[in-house]
Amino acid sequence: NAGVTQTPKFRVLKTGQSMTLLCAQDMNHEYMYWYRQDPGMGLRLIHYSVGEGTTAKGEVPDGYNVSRLKKQNFLLGLESAAPSQTSVYFCASSSSWTGISYEQYFGPGTRLTVT
Amino acid sequence: AQSVTQLDSHVSVSEGTPVLLRCNYSSSYSPSLFWYVQHPNKGLQLLLKYTSAATLVKGINGFEAEFKKSETSFHLTKPSAHMSDAAEYFCVVRRAGSYQLTFGKGTKLSVIP
Repeated sequence: NAGVTQTPKFRVLKTGQSMTLLCAQDMNHEYMYWYRQDPGMGLRLIHYSVGEGTTAKGEVPDGYNVSRLKKQNFLLGLESAAPSQTSVYFCASSSSWTGISYEQYFGPGTRLTVT
Repeated sequence: AQSVTQLDSHVSVSEGTPVLLRCNYSSSYSPSLFWYVQHPNKGLQLLLKYTSAATLVKGINGFEAEFKKSETSFHLTKPSAHMSDAAEYFCVVRRAGSYQLTFGKGTKLSVIP
């Protein structure tokens, strides 16, 4: 099992450009999440999905869009990149069971720089 | 709503000495609590989690944490630091029945040879 994978690992964009980050998981998880990590801020939830075809806003959704067309994939889009979106982006997935065994599994991250 | 406060942004210890990373939480309902570790330029790895069973939780690499409800704390400890422990550590809370995690801002652990 590859677990959670993210593509690409690194990217540099100019202000105003667009791009899509791809997250894929092979654990048949219902729930998927996108976070951003900034120095001194921990991880903050951007958007999440509780199933194929459904998405919802998290704590910091502005400037991002997402889509979950297939259960195993969760895409994060930046339509017009801004320097404030320079960050490390993490994808995570979990089962829908919120009992004591609940855990989120994280991908390796994508480092994005917007100049 | 739940929140997490990591009381130190940076902790520095000598190799072979004890490690203490402090975390306080607030949660309206019985929480689950986690510690994740992030080594430089790497993803997040689960160290340990508390889920209302034993209050003293043992994790990987010799780390453990004690859940103290009266103090709303979940401090992470290790008896003897190793150079490979140098990383950033995140305390995370999840409200019972919720699938969303709330992260602390992280504590960077430095280990001096």
